[in-house]
Amino acid sequence: NAGVTQTPKFRILKIGQSMTLQCTQDMNHNYMYWYRQDPGMGLKLIYYSVGAGITDKGEVPNGYNVSRSTTEDFPLRLELAAPSQTSVYFCASSYSETQYFGPGTRLLVL
Amino acid sequence: DAKTTQPTSMDCAEGRAANLPCNHSTISGNEYVYWYRQIHSQGPQYIIHGLKNNETNEMASLIITEDRKSSTLILPHATLRDTAVYYCIVRVAPGGGADGLTFGKGTHLIIQP
Repeated sequence: NAGVTQTPKFRILKIGQSMTLQCTQDMNHNYMYWYRQDPGMGLKLIYYSVGAGITDKGEVPNGYNVSRSTTEDFPLRLELAAPSQTSVYFCASSYSETQYFGPGTRLLVL
Repeated sequence: DAKTTQPTSMDCAEGRAANLPCNHSTISGNEYVYWYRQIHSQGPQYIIHGLKNNETNEMASLIITEDRKSSTLILPHATLRDTAVYYCIVRVAPGGGADGLTFGKGTHLIIQP
């Protein structure tokens, strides 16, 4: 099992550009999550999903959108990138209490 | 906001036991104590969790005080690879794991050779 995979590993965006961060898990987990981590801080929840077709907002959802058409994939969409979205983004999945995290995507918005 | 308080940083000598404290004085009766760690630039990794009894697994031991207002994560024989930020998290543990985790700033544990 590859676990949770994320692409790309690193990306530079210009202000106003859009992009999609990809997240895929091969553990057949129902629950998936997107977090962001700013320098020196803990992770903050952006969106989560309890199963295909179901998503809900976390603590910091503004500026992001998600979809969950399959159990495996949970992409995160940035429509109009802003410097405040410069961060490291982690995707995670879970079937019970334990969450499994991907390696992260480092995003720089200039 | 996170419901836990942890020291910002700690040092420990390689081969010794690392004891990481966490205060959670407002913990509710149905809330568990979870520990995750994050090695530099990687995604967080689950370590252990418990409700009120002490717990042990292949990675660590978790000691929870009788009043449940604090706990200690113990790495019995720390190695250089244990250098990481350790997060103590309090949350209700529904069977489905639907809730996200609330991370504070954690404790930066540095293992010294």
